[in-house]
This record gives sequence, C-alpha cells and structure tokens, in this order.
Amino acid sequence: GQNIDQPTEMTATEGAIVQINCTYQTSGFNGLFWYQQHAGEAPTFLSYNVLDGLEEKGRFSSFLSRSKGYSYLLLKELQMKDSASYLCAVRDGTPGNTPLVFGKGTRLSVIA
Amino acid sequence: EAGVAQSPRYKIIEKRQSVAFWCNPISGHATLYWYQQILGQGPKLLIQFQNNGVVDDSQLPKDRFSAERLKGVDSTLKIQPAKLEDSAVYLCASLRWRGRKQYFGPGTRLTVT
Repeated sequence: GQNIDQPTEMTATEGAIVQINCTYQTSGFNGLFWYQQHAGEAPTFLSYNVLDGLEEKGRFSSFLSRSKGYSYLLLKELQMKDSASYLCAVRDGTPGNTPLVFGKGTRLSVIA
Repeated sequence: EAGVAQSPRYKIIEKRQSVAFWCNPISGHATLYWYQQILGQGPKLLIQFQNNGVVDDSQLPKDRFSAERLKGVDSTLKIQPAKLEDSAVYLCASLRWRGRKQYFGPGTRLTVT
C-alpha cells in the first residue's frame, strides 16, 4: 500500500528555521513534491526531488533520501505569511500517467 | 497563462440531493485530476483523465460519483445522491504531457447538511 507520514502540527518563531519531515512507503517512486496550502486556498508547488540530495530555492530547501524513504522541507528566515499547511506528496509512476499520493499535511504556525 | 478554473467556489446542499462541479484546466494540459480533500487531510485522488480517457478511477465511489471529460478539455464531476461524508473541498488539477508539477484550481467547497 501507500503510506506517507508527516507531523500534524508544528509551531516556530518568526525569523527562525523549521524542518518538516516526511517519510514514505510507496509501491514505486518517481519524485517527491512539497506543496504549500494556505487555509481555504489551493495547494501551490514548492519543490521537487527525484534524486538524493538537497534542492535549494531561496528560503526553501528540500532534501531526499530514497534509500530511507525520507524527505524534509527546510524553511529559513520564517515569516508570518509562511503559516500554512505543507503537503508532502509522492509520484509512484511515470510523468503524465500517475497521480500524486499526498500525506495529511503539516500545519505550521509562525508566531512572533 | 490562465490557471485552472473551477466553479462554483462554494456549494451547500442537503443530503440525497445532486451536485455538479466544473473544471477548466490550463490550455494544452492533457492530464486532468479530481481530488477530494476532507478537512485536516491531504488531497485524495478521485479520478484521472488523459485527454478524454479515464486513466485511474479506482478510488471513485462509482455508485454515487461520476465524471466526464468529453472533449478532452473541461471536465465535470457529479455526486448523486450526496451524503454527509461528501462534505469536502473538491480540487481539480492539470498537468502537461510528461510535465513535472500539477497546477491546482481554487477548489469547490461542498457542505452537505
């Protein structure tokens, strides 16, 4: 079966760094995605990893270890607007032919 | 480039009534997905289309849910009859052929009373 686990909630302070972990067990693997979802809005794409290692994009970085079935999203210099849910999702087949399997999301609260 | 369009944005119906949602994907995107997102959970796939053909509908409750994409462009998702547990946000997403990231529409928030 498919299983994607991530913490339900996290709280961090403005200006700090937070790491959101994701572990997955899927029948196949062809990429791991992180999406941001503000309350009442659609998910928006943040990052994509298909090879092991770290991908950096501004204040956001994402790491993948395929052998461990593990990823994390790192948010630096936290801002209040980063308060949102962060969804980890895995694609287990070829592009264009398989959907994403999502975790339940991690609700991040950034406090002053 | 226009994004994925969905309507209506909100819908409130009573149980056992019918409802339909509409989605217009990004122009040229061959793959279209409908997801159901229950409050506090991640999106769950209901159905995937490639052009006007169904690729995956294994998680669609076919006794009450139906979907079509007749001309390979826009799509409708219908629920008939609705149950209380169908209360959720229904998200439409599209993907260009062999693309990487899915683009999501704003969703339709359905409340069944």
